[in-house]
Amino acid sequence: DTGVSQDPRHKITKRGQNVTFRCDPISEHNRLYWYRQTLGQGPEFLTYFQNEAQLEKSRLLSDRFSAERPKGSFSTLEIQRTEQGDSAMYLCASSPWGEGARTEAFFGQGTRLTVV
Amino acid sequence: KQEVTQIPAALSVPEGENLVLNCSFTDSAIYNLQWFRQDPGKGLTSLLLIQSSQREQTSGRLNASLDKSSGRSTLYIAASQPGDSATYLCAVETSGSRLTFGEGTQLTVNP
Repeated sequence: DTGVSQDPRHKITKRGQNVTFRCDPISEHNRLYWYRQTLGQGPEFLTYFQNEAQLEKSRLLSDRFSAERPKGSFSTLEIQRTEQGDSAMYLCASSPWGEGARTEAFFGQGTRLTVV
Repeated sequence: KQEVTQIPAALSVPEGENLVLNCSFTDSAIYNLQWFRQDPGKGLTSLLLIQSSQREQTSGRLNASLDKSSGRSTLYIAASQPGDSATYLCAVETSGSRLTFGEGTQLTVNP
C-alpha cells in the first residue's frame, strides 16, 4: 500500500497521560499536514511540514502538543497531559509541493483518540 | 480569515437521482479547491481537485465546478447509488499551505 499510513488507528488513554501518533506519508511527497476532526465537524488544521521544517502551526496547537518530522520522512504528533477535550480524530495528509506540482492532498485513515 | 460553508448539511435522495452539493468560500484568493468523501469513522478520500486556473473537473459520475470570483463550487453526482452514501467535504487551499474545510454534507442514497 503506497498511501498515507497512520498508527495506531484507535487509542484510549486516561486523562493526564501522554500519547504519540505516527504518520508515514506517501514517499515522494515533501509536505505533511496534521488535522484534527471532532464529530460532525470538518477537519481543522494543526500544523504542517515541508521536508523536515515545521512551517506553520495553528493556534489550536497548544503547548501540550508537539510535532516532529525528523529527516523529512515520517512524522509524530505527541500530546502531553491529555484532557477530555483532546478526544478527536487526528488526521495526517501529505502532498507534493514545488513549481508545477499538483498539490492534491491525500489523507490517512486517522487515529481516533478517546480520553477517559 | 477563510470560511467555507456547505449547503445542505444533510441530503436524502432515492437511488438514481442526480444531485448537487454546494460549497461557498469567503476569500476568493485560493490556490485550489478539493472535494473529499468521508465514510463513518474513516479518513478522507480525495474525489476531485480543481486548481485555481480551472473551472471544472470530471471523474466518472462526478463533476465539480469552480467559480472563484463568486466564491462558489458545486459537486454534481449523476445517477446516485446507495454506495455514494457518505459525508462530502469541500476544502480550499489558500496561500499554498493549509486546507480550510466546510462542515460537510451528509448524503444518504436510499435503494
